[in-house]
Amino acid sequence: DTAVSQTPKYLVTQMGNDKSIKCEQNLGHDTMYWYKQDSKKFLKIMFSYNNKELIINETVPNRFSPKSPDKAHLNLHINSLELGDSAVYFCASSQGPGQGNQPQHFGDGTRLSIL
Amino acid sequence: AQSVTQLGSHVSVSEGALVLLRCNYSSSVPPYLFWYVQYPNQGLQLLLKYTTGATLVKGINGFEAEFKKSETSFHLTKPSAHMSDAAEYFCAVSDRETSGSRLTFGEGTQLTVNP
Repeated sequence: DTAVSQTPKYLVTQMGNDKSIKCEQNLGHDTMYWYKQDSKKFLKIMFSYNNKELIINETVPNRFSPKSPDKAHLNLHINSLELGDSAVYFCASSQGPGQGNQPQHFGDGTRLSIL
Repeated sequence: AQSVTQLGSHVSVSEGALVLLRCNYSSSVPPYLFWYVQYPNQGLQLLLKYTTGATLVKGINGFEAEFKKSETSFHLTKPSAHMSDAAEYFCAVSDRETSGSRLTFGEGTQLTVNP
């Protein structure tokens, strides 16, 4: 069973479109994250939710809107896609927000390409 | 603010040789430190972590790392490289804030193993 699963794995779309990426974890974790990996493979956190509550919101354009319907799901909606949004987006999960000693478990990523 | 520096964006070794991937961190509080590995088109997989206690930590696939506070380092080693070790390796530091546990990653080191 996949612990952290993301869909879709690949997303190719035109500039200006709106798209969503879904993430689900079956580890029973309380906290979920979105990270962006750029073309140079640099990873940066975007958002984090703990039990459906937003707890980390980095400097991300407000075209990006995360939503967590329950603690096992964290989706990412992106409006008006731009060329610079092309990247790999990773979902991750871990135990509790304050337990920074707990490792984060990552999905396989969604490769977003903007034409 | 925390930061991680990985010395050497590319490291090349021969099969059977020692692997040494360097990581230095900056943190105002005692850090939690992690090494992750990323194989092509996959997510990140935890290799090992340091939280407290023994400064030499062992991980999966024969890797280990030593936390050296005086040198602010957490270098990753493996005595004998295998072809299957070829991948991207990321060092990361986690904060201890209760408001969220974000991972700050280094820029990654691409490990090539030559036959």
